[in-house]
Amino acid sequence: QLQLQESGPGLVKPSEALSLTCNVSGASINYLNYYWGWIRQPPGKGLEWIGSIYYSGSTYYNSSLKSRVTMAVDTSKNQFSLKLSSVTAADTAVYYCATQRWSKGQWGAFDYWGQGTLVTVSS
Amino acid sequence: DIQMTQSPSSLSASVGDRVTITCRAGQRIANYLNWYQQNPGKAPKLVISAASSLESGVPSRFSGSGSGTEFTLTISSLQPEDFASYYCQQSYNTPLTFGGGTKVEIK
Repeated sequence: QLQLQESGPGLVKPSEALSLTCNVSGASINYLNYYWGWIRQPPGKGLEWIGSIYYSGSTYYNSSLKSRVTMAVDTSKNQFSLKLSSVTAADTAVYYCATQRWSKGQWGAFDYWGQGTLVTVSS
Repeated sequence: DIQMTQSPSSLSASVGDRVTITCRAGQRIANYLNWYQQNPGKAPKLVISAASSLESGVPSRFSGSGSGTEFTLTISSLQPEDFASYYCQQSYNTPLTFGGGTKVEIK
């Protein structure tokens, strides 16, 4: 059974960078039919896609965050990561990693999700 | 960006009720529409993919329909475990976008 687990600091200071890692178990991150995604949810609000990365390193980012987002994949550790720079209080959210179906050049649904990790931006 | 608009934003219903949630896309997205259920403090769970495909393990009282710009999620007979928030999401193109959510509450 594929499982995802987010890890990283729960508190980040304004203007600093938020860094999270998603550890994948039960499947290889080299799986051809998945992108690996990050989604966030501010407290009491809806879901926002941050971006997705393929095992090859190909990335797609939400244009609203693109200038501040960097994703990377480490196939040797079977994990992928998110870095969001210059954070503000508006970046306070639960951050989820998830698998995203990918077939014949077309996006699909997010089918496996991590439990989520709350990141608070505060001094 | 493709805007996804859900209605209603919340509803109150009783066990056994038939519930329908609507999702409208800002442009035609064929059937690239997915539905998620989220319980408080939990990650979203995929219930319907590609507008109408029921995910493995999801009860058959859930169904999805629609194509183009208008989609619906129907719960035929609401059960206690179905009281949750529901989100639609388009996977037609990036940026991938979600609807604002519908909270289903107990009447």
